[in-house]
Amino acid sequence: QVQLVESGGGVVQPGRSLRLSCAASGFSFNQYAMYWVRQAPGKGLEMVAVAWSDGRKKFYADSVKGRFITSRDNAKNTLYLEMNNLRVEDTAVYHCARGIGIILHYFDFWGHGSLVTVSS
Amino acid sequence: DIILTQSPATLSVSPGGRATLSCRASQTISTNLAWYRQKPGQAPRLLIYGASTRATGVSATFSGSGSGTEFTLTISSLQSEDSAIYYCHQYNNWPPAFGQGTNVEIK
Repeated sequence: QVQLVESGGGVVQPGRSLRLSCAASGFSFNQYAMYWVRQAPGKGLEMVAVAWSDGRKKFYADSVKGRFITSRDNAKNTLYLEMNNLRVEDTAVYHCARGIGIILHYFDFWGHGSLVTVSS
Repeated sequence: DIILTQSPATLSVSPGGRATLSCRASQTISTNLAWYRQKPGQAPRLLIYGASTRATGVSATFSGSGSGTEFTLTISSLQSEDSAIYYCHQYNNWPPAFGQGTNVEIK
């Protein structure tokens, strides 16, 4: 069955960096766009970044553009999110999600998420 | 950017009752709308995509309708396990956007 498992979260000071990973299994990872979606404590959902199936096309939310980089290793069935110059407002649970669609995507499977806390 | 507005913010329904959730888009999005249910401490679960197609394994008590800018999610017979926050999500235009959620409570 499809499984998405995030890791790499933790507590980090403002301005520092952190890298999240999302290990995928149970499907052909290299055929799907993969997303990062975050949820601040007690708040709603926010799309952060997407990497198209071949990893060449990537897009970012304005709130993280220039600070976050997503990448994927299709040989390892793993999605990454490199988060730099972290801010307090980046505190959230970060989910990876599988995208379904032709141009843009809805999300049919989600990981449980990895908590990132940015605090001094 | 497209803004999705969900209403009501909170909905309290008796077991077996009917819940009607609304999602309004600030621009037309055709039928490129999905609905998710999120229980506390869990990841969201896909319920509906394409505005009206139930995802695999989703109960027939869930139905979606609408196109353009006005969309509805209906839960025809509410069960205790349906107590959750429900989000709509547009994937017609970049950037993808979510509504702020409707909290469905069981009386």
